[in-house]
Amino acid sequence: NAGVTQTPKFRVLKTGQSMTLLCAQDMNHEYMYWYRQDPGMGLRLIHYSVGEGTTAKGEVPDGYNVSRLKKQNFLLGLESAAPSQTSVYFCASRKGGYNQPQHFGDGTRLSIL
Amino acid sequence: GENVEQHPSTLSVQEGDSAVIKCTYSDSASNYFPWYKQELGKRPQLIIDIRSNVGEKKDQRIAVTLNKTAKHFSLHITETQPEDSAVYFCAASYTGNQFYFGTGTSLTVIP
Repeated sequence: NAGVTQTPKFRVLKTGQSMTLLCAQDMNHEYMYWYRQDPGMGLRLIHYSVGEGTTAKGEVPDGYNVSRLKKQNFLLGLESAAPSQTSVYFCASRKGGYNQPQHFGDGTRLSIL
Repeated sequence: GENVEQHPSTLSVQEGDSAVIKCTYSDSASNYFPWYKQELGKRPQLIIDIRSNVGEKKDQRIAVTLNKTAKHFSLHITETQPEDSAVYFCAASYTGNQFYFGTGTSLTVIP
């Protein structure tokens, strides 16, 4: 039981390049989330999903797209990377229903040059 | 949307002393308040949570209190140990979909 797994762990991109971050969970959780963490700003929600085939915008969705084609996977895409997207990205998942805690992955450290 | 403020941003205590971190929230509809601990380079991990129908919850050396009227909640760590050194985040949720995080408190326990 691996929990929440994020790939890759590290990546360096050039401005304008595209890439996809993968999040996989093996806990059969309904909800999945993508956050970015920047120094002094806590965790900010990019996009989230309440179930397979559904996605919704969070606080900072601009420049990102997501897909949830399978219940266990949540993909975060950067179509044209910008230096402002340099950050640590965390994926999280949780059970359905109210008041359920989130479980986080180990994060992806992304640098855009 | 919800706005969560967290204080202090940094906190240093002597080993064995208590540490208190406070958070305020803006939306009175928020009803779930988890606390996460994040060690350097690691993932955030849930350490305790509280629901709006409860005023206080304890788990060994950690406790959380909630004041719904004042819209604030606090994390209390007693008998601090060096391994308590980390960044602590509070969060609030009212829809069950989105969570709003504070900006974090860096706790240092001095041996």
